[in-house]
Order: sequence, then structure tokens, then C-alpha cells
Amino acid sequence: NAGVTQTPKFQVLKTGQSMTLQCAQDMNHEYMSWYRQDPGMGLRLIHYSVGAGITDQGEVPNGYNVSRSTTEDFPLRLLSAAPSQTSVYFCASRRDRGRGSGANVLTFGAGSRLTVL
Amino acid sequence: QQQVKQSPQSLIVQKGGISIINCAYENTAFDYFPWYQQFPGKGPALLIAIRPDVSEKKEGRFTISFNKSAKQFSLHIMDSQPGDSATYFCAASGSFGNEKLTFGTGTRLTIIP
Repeated sequence: NAGVTQTPKFQVLKTGQSMTLQCAQDMNHEYMSWYRQDPGMGLRLIHYSVGAGITDQGEVPNGYNVSRSTTEDFPLRLLSAAPSQTSVYFCASRRDRGRGSGANVLTFGAGSRLTVL
Repeated sequence: QQQVKQSPQSLIVQKGGISIINCAYENTAFDYFPWYQQFPGKGPALLIAIRPDVSEKKEGRFTISFNKSAKQFSLHIMDSQPGDSATYFCAASGSFGNEKLTFGTGTRLTIIP
């Protein structure tokens, strides 16, 4: 049981390049989300999904795209990287909505550190 | 607009002392208030959580105090240990945690011998 797996752990991009951060969970969680962590800013929600085929924007969605074609995977795409997107990105998932004890506990991956030059 | 305000940004406490981190929220629809703990190089992990029908919840050395009228809640770590050194995030959500989670800005706690 791997939990939430993020790849890559580290990435350096040049301004204008595109890339995809991968996130996979093996817990059959319905809810998945992406956060970015910046010093002094805490964790800010980028996008989230309540199930396959359903995505919605968080508080800082600009410059990012997501899709949810399967329950397990929730990739985050940077369309044209900018230095302001230098950050640590976390994927997190949660069990089915309202189903039993612990259903509302977010399980985080280990993070992906992105630097945009 | 910061919906969950957390203080202090950093905190240094002597071993055996009490660590206190405070949070305040604005949205009265919030009804689930967890604290997450993050060690360097790791993702955050749930430490303890409270719902507004109680004013205090204790798990071992960790206690959440909740003041609904003031819209404030705090984390107390009793008998603080060097292993407690980490970043702590408060958070809030509606629908008993089934909505998106809004985090505070984090507190870096250092426990010194």
C-alpha cells in the first residue's frame, strides 16, 4: 500500500516550458487535490476533484490544468512555466465523502519541488 | 484573502515547556478544524482535529482548544520534545471536512534542549 505517490521529486524548468506533475493513489479515494507550499503562504489549493471526470478550481488555479480520467490518477499540468510557479507541490487524497471514520482525513504525498528559471 | 490566520510564524520552546499556536477563522460555515504536522522533506500529516460541538479535544500531549464565539482555536503541546520540532498548519473546512480544506500559513516550531 503505497498511499499517495508523486513524481518527479525534483524538477528544474526554463520559463515557457511545459510539464506534468504526476500523482497516483492506491487507496480508492474519491477526492484528490493539489496544493502549493510557499514560505509564509502556507498551503494553497490549486485544483481538486471529487471523482473521476469531475474537477474544480481552488484559490490559485491560473497557469495550471488538471484532469481526472481514472480514480487513481490526478496529474497537474503547467502550461507555460513562470518563475512565480517555483514552489513545492503536494498532492493529497481523501476517502469517499462522508463514509465512516477518517473519511475526511487528507493523505499527502511527499511533494514535488519545482524550480522555474 | 486569508480565511484562516495563524500565529506565530515561528516559535522556539525549551524542552519540557508548553508550545501554543493560535488560529482564527472568518467563515462561520466552517465546522471542522484539523491540525497537520509536517517534518522537513515530508508531506503534512493529520495530527488532531476538532468539531465545534466541543470546546477541547486532547490526544496524548496534544490539545486543541476551541472558542466558537471568538472564532478562534489553538494547539497546545504539553511537555514539548525535540521530536515535536516541525511545521504545524491549522486548517478549516465545511461539511465536517467533506469540503475543500483551507490552511493557515504555518508555524515552524523548534524545541531546544
